[in-house]
Amino acid sequence: DAKTTQPNSMESNEEEPVHLPCNHSTISGTDYIHWYRQLPSQGPEYVIHGLTSNVNNRMASLAIAEDRKSSTLILHRATLRDAAVYYCILALTGANNLFFGTGTRLTVIP
Amino acid sequence: EAQVTQNPRYLITVTGKKLTVTCSQNMNHEYMSWYRQDPGLGLRQIYYSMNVEVTDKGDVPEGYKVSRKEKRNFPLILESPSPNQTSLYFCASSQTGGVADTQYFGPGTRLTVL
Repeated sequence: DAKTTQPNSMESNEEEPVHLPCNHSTISGTDYIHWYRQLPSQGPEYVIHGLTSNVNNRMASLAIAEDRKSSTLILHRATLRDAAVYYCILALTGANNLFFGTGTRLTVIP
Repeated sequence: EAQVTQNPRYLITVTGKKLTVTCSQNMNHEYMSWYRQDPGLGLRQIYYSMNVEVTDKGDVPEGYKVSRKEKRNFPLILESPSPNQTSLYFCASSQTGGVADTQYFGPGTRLTVL
């Protein structure tokens, strides 16, 4: 299985930036890095993905290390609605599924 | 609205009574899959389908069947459910299943097998 390592939990104050780290030392050249999140009682939802370059979208930013062995999901201003479990996932070239780990549970403190 | 729907959302059944959980997507996606989610284990893939009439096993296929007769539907069948299949199930779809694809997940089906 493609291995990613994330902290089990993190806390952030509301309206402050949050940096969620992920290590993926086994990544190969054409594997994509995806982030999904799962809000309470919901299915996972897509957040962002990237290959080599940093990526931005309306939800978040993804910073990818130069050696691609780690990445960081950045929420620029955490809101209470961002409280969720965040999954860092490698989409492996030639594989047909996403390997979810146990993710990072983000708590946002008002 | 683009979405993946699952039915039922909640189901309590007894050991050995065949059941089907339906999954439907309205995005004309080729790729569909089923996951189960258990505490401490994250999401694990059960089966996936690259297109109509093409299905394959995921990581935990034992005790499950699937079919893909139409592009939009991908039902999950438990022919003889057992208590260890008590879990939260998610259906997902994406355009092709490729590494850069976004997967869209359904709302989940919570199954309890007594």
